[in-house]
Amino acid sequence: ETGVTQTPRHLVMGMTNKKSLKCEQHLGHNAMYWYKQSAKKPLELMFVYSLEERVENNSVPSRFSPECPNSSHLFLHLHTLQPEDSALYLCASSQDPAANTEAFFGQGTRLTVV
Amino acid sequence: DAKTTQPNSMESNEEEPVHLPCNHSTISGTDYIHWYRQLPSQGPEYVIHGLTSNVNNRMASLAIAEDRKSSTLILHRATLRDAAVYYCILRDWRGNEKLTFGTGTRLTIIP
Repeated sequence: ETGVTQTPRHLVMGMTNKKSLKCEQHLGHNAMYWYKQSAKKPLELMFVYSLEERVENNSVPSRFSPECPNSSHLFLHLHTLQPEDSALYLCASSQDPAANTEAFFGQGTRLTVV
Repeated sequence: DAKTTQPNSMESNEEEPVHLPCNHSTISGTDYIHWYRQLPSQGPEYVIHGLTSNVNNRMASLAIAEDRKSSTLILHRATLRDAAVYYCILRDWRGNEKLTFGTGTRLTIIP
């Protein structure tokens, strides 16, 4: 238990569906992150939020839409995904964006697009 | 973020020490060295980090070369639970929020 909770753990969705991934932390952290981990590829940083402001968007397609309503919650809204978007989506948080702080990861949502 | 180089895989016997190397020859003076590991079917887990001096915690030790161009993560007594992919990552302390993962080293523990 890392203190970062992701729901759902598994999700199967069609290409025309709309779904959302949820991440929650009650560690008092100010920075939150979304990562994508495809099979046999390194983790890819998607989005970074610091103090509820998006500070990083790594050329992610618009079919992925993040939302950070407060410092404890982070969402990833999904619509019209492609099969190649199937992956493990990981959320993380850290106390602040400084490099000498550790990040805590959730267990991820395993997404399958059919 | 500066690049790191790690072996793709390593094996070690259970209950023996493990030394996981990482080369970061282009490290800058403002880069911290972080290590994370990812157990099967889980998200990455923080292990240890350091700047210049060697560091110890309950999980591992981090030995940093004097010129900082390489470092070694030391697991003092490997258990089966330590089988994971280990990532060596550089992070600039100047407020860069990125935590960028490479391919890491897949550690196999032999019973």
